[in-house]
Amino acid sequence: AQSVTQLDSHVSVSEGTPVLLRCNYSSSYSPSLFWYVQHPNKGLQLLLKYTSAATLVKGINGFEAEFKKSETSFHLTKPSAHMSDAAEYFCVVSDLPDYKLSFGAGTTVTVRA
Amino acid sequence: SQTIHQWPATLVQPVGSPLSLECTVEGTSNPNLYWYRQAAGRGLQLLFYSVGIGQISSEVPQNLSASRPQDRQFILSSKKLLLSDSGFYLCAWTVYRGPDTGELFFGEGSRLTVL
Repeated sequence: AQSVTQLDSHVSVSEGTPVLLRCNYSSSYSPSLFWYVQHPNKGLQLLLKYTSAATLVKGINGFEAEFKKSETSFHLTKPSAHMSDAAEYFCVVSDLPDYKLSFGAGTTVTVRA
Repeated sequence: SQTIHQWPATLVQPVGSPLSLECTVEGTSNPNLYWYRQAAGRGLQLLFYSVGIGQISSEVPQNLSASRPQDRQFILSSKKLLLSDSGFYLCAWTVYRGPDTGELFFGEGSRLTVL
């Protein structure tokens, strides 16, 4: 069975500085990986996904993530944080045989002016 | 374009009262439908999913139930609410199968407080 670990429960950055959200996964086959963002009292929105194509994946709002099989990681980055990036971020993995989803516990991002 | 509607947005209910949360999807057909719960400070917990009308799979034993009376309608119910049922309930859908199944589209959520 697959699982996902988000290594930081909370990340605080200054506006204009880089953001790094770390995600490690375990999987028996060839996983698909996703990052979602959730603003307060809202539903989740897909930022980007990896489904065995290019290992460097670009998403919306300037985010990107790199799939590293050797490190079983799928870290999310953004070169320059904006105040609107303050939210909770979830890493998600799915895999064979039934593509059930496993959500990470989430990382809360705060952005300081 | 596809949209998802979830209501009510906010609900305050006494312990022991019934519950009905509704979710409808527009602009697509035969979606997979999901109910998730998000308790304060915790991640998402899958409660139910459905691959078709009348087909419901339960992930977690509890006093909640789900029904799918129409292709694009998904209802979450309880006969008697418990304090532990408080949380943020999210409906989601996807038409993908296989590796893209994790590409979900979420509703705005329903916040339930049981007193």
